[in-house]
Amino acid sequence: AQKITQTQPGMFVQEKEAVTLDCTYDTSDPSYGLFWYKQPSSGEMIFLIYQGSYDQQNATEGRYSLNFQKARKSANLVISASQLGDSAMYFCAMRGLSGSARQLTFGSGTQLTVLP
Amino acid sequence: DTAVSQTPKYLVTQMGNDKSIKCEQNLGHDTMYWYKQDSKKFLKIMFSYNNKELIINETVPNRFSPKSPDKAHLNLHINSLELGDSAVYFCASSQEFQDTQYFGPGTRLTVL
Repeated sequence: AQKITQTQPGMFVQEKEAVTLDCTYDTSDPSYGLFWYKQPSSGEMIFLIYQGSYDQQNATEGRYSLNFQKARKSANLVISASQLGDSAMYFCAMRGLSGSARQLTFGSGTQLTVLP
Repeated sequence: DTAVSQTPKYLVTQMGNDKSIKCEQNLGHDTMYWYKQDSKKFLKIMFSYNNKELIINETVPNRFSPKSPDKAHLNLHINSLELGDSAVYFCASSQEFQDTQYFGPGTRLTVL
């Protein structure tokens, strides 16, 4: 079985500063994918970034980057130059290759608040 | 253009009723999903479905059933609604099982 852990229920960051949201995972699959989604107060789930377990480079998408440390089984999301619109719930998720692990498993989320 | 759409956005109903939530995707994806998000924001997969395979989360009561009239639609039927079914239900789609999933806007179901 695979498991995603997000240990920060809530985080605060000052506008224009960088923030790191933590995510650790556990899986027995040799190949897997890691995802981050954003859920603003309006409720929709927005895909942010993806990292494959065999990707050599850490994924980046605009102000989002994924700090992937395979040996530590961590996939932290870094948001640079925070904006007020970044205030939202952020979910880390993973997907393996075999059986039920192919299904996307989500962490419990981190509520990020960007302060003006 | 909306990629993954759901109707209705809000659904309020009495306990014991039967209801359906519709989902449509115009991304040409082969695989669709239903998720349940509870009051603590925890997201859990209910079903994964493509034209070859249905994967059901074993914790989902059989009162819930997915119905797919075609590749672009995956509807969720719920029979004999219970108070504990109150949640936000998300539909999602991806090209294949292993690809990135794109979510619909969610349907907030309230059972009275």
